[in-house]
Amino acid sequence: GAVVSQHPSWVICKSGTSVKIECRSLDFQATTMFWYRQFPKQSLMLMATSNEGSKATYEQGVEKDKFLINHASLTLSTLTVTSAHPEDSSFYICSAKGFTDTQYFGPGTRLTVL
Amino acid sequence: SQQGEEDPQALSIQEGENATMNCSYKTSINNLQWYRQNSGRGLVHLILIRSNEREKHSGRLRVTLDTSKKSSSLLITASRAADTASYFCATDATGTASKLTFGTGTRLQVTL
Repeated sequence: GAVVSQHPSWVICKSGTSVKIECRSLDFQATTMFWYRQFPKQSLMLMATSNEGSKATYEQGVEKDKFLINHASLTLSTLTVTSAHPEDSSFYICSAKGFTDTQYFGPGTRLTVL
Repeated sequence: SQQGEEDPQALSIQEGENATMNCSYKTSINNLQWYRQNSGRGLVHLILIRSNEREKHSGRLRVTLDTSKKSSSLLITASRAADTASYFCATDATGTASKLTFGTGTRLQVTL
């Protein structure tokens, strides 16, 4: 089946630093990748949608200068949390979609900002 | 909010019993997908049902869709302890370029 990886799986950083999270589709070409955020015991909230080679589309209320998304190839998208603060601590999950309707999810990245 | 609702929020059953989870949504959809999430992990895709389908099976899973009521159900038969997880429905609404809107989730606990 389709596999999506994320790196790192967890990261701890100091307030004010930037953190980059990678999302890769390992065995298929992802025409679209999505980034979600999940707080403990809550559902997933879509942050942004990215298509290869074009700018990401952000959901209402998501700061695009805070959460930088780059989708440079059909197998890689990155999310950079800039100047991270404790309130950015969360579980970030990406998903990738190829030419079918199914989205395949990565294992998630737990970010803790001290 | 366009987020769907799932019920029950939590369900505890014994191994071998069936588990039924329900999902309601608010908009017209292209398809509805069910996912499983183990604690602190990513999501595993279970099944996709299109708007023109009414029922779909996959192993011990049975999904129904009623677009007139904007609702779906997931039935897990002969549950196992390994089925313990959170289950989410997600809708791909018409005209949203494949964006998924997730339901609130059902936490299923299967005990021996």
